[in-house]
Amino acid sequence: DAKTTQPTSMDCAEGRAANLPCNHSTISGNEYVYWYRQIHSQGPQYIIHGLKNNETNEMASLIITEDRKSSTLILPHATLRDTAVYYCIVRYGNTGKLIFGQGTTLQVKP
Amino acid sequence: KAGVTQTPRYLIKTRGQQVTLSCSPISGHRSVSWYQQTPGQGLQFLFEYFSETQRNKGNFPGRFSGRQFSNSRSEMNVSTLELGDSALYLCASSFPEAYSAGGGYEQFFGPGTRLTVL
Repeated sequence: DAKTTQPTSMDCAEGRAANLPCNHSTISGNEYVYWYRQIHSQGPQYIIHGLKNNETNEMASLIITEDRKSSTLILPHATLRDTAVYYCIVRYGNTGKLIFGQGTTLQVKP
Repeated sequence: KAGVTQTPRYLIKTRGQQVTLSCSPISGHRSVSWYQQTPGQGLQFLFEYFSETQRNKGNFPGRFSGRQFSNSRSEMNVSTLELGDSALYLCASSFPEAYSAGGGYEQFFGPGTRLTVL
């Protein structure tokens, strides 16, 4: 499984876009990039995933570089409820095994 | 649709005892994965079951075991509990119809079972 690198923590002002980076330089061609978040003591919540193309859903956008070695999760209008630990995970599609790193603690401030 | 449910939500055991945790996946989901979360080690994969068969296993001792039933419900068992087994145990379910095609799919996590070993 490819290893991911994320900043330990980030701050974001409420109402502004939060851009969370992730490096996955050893990703292989058939591995997907997933983002989950975990609010204190709750189960992780799925946000978005992608393979090559940029993806958008009602929660966020995922921008994957052309070489697929890094990606950015964008929360377009962060709210206080978006304060959480965000995990970037690279996983081969044909398995249920997720390898979580330490994630990025995002603090949204008023 | 109801989400992933886990029972019990909280559990207190003493060293040497054994414990069984239960996970009911989202209706129609056939894959269940288990994770252990501790402050020191973070989220770690335990094992994955799909159609009653263990597909993947993490790096945990044999005291940790699991099974899946024909209705996709899953249980995990920890025998001879140690203090270090105190953790939040999470299960996640998915419907990996794209397994054979290697497609991406999301896993949905339950709220977890908080196990405290005294």
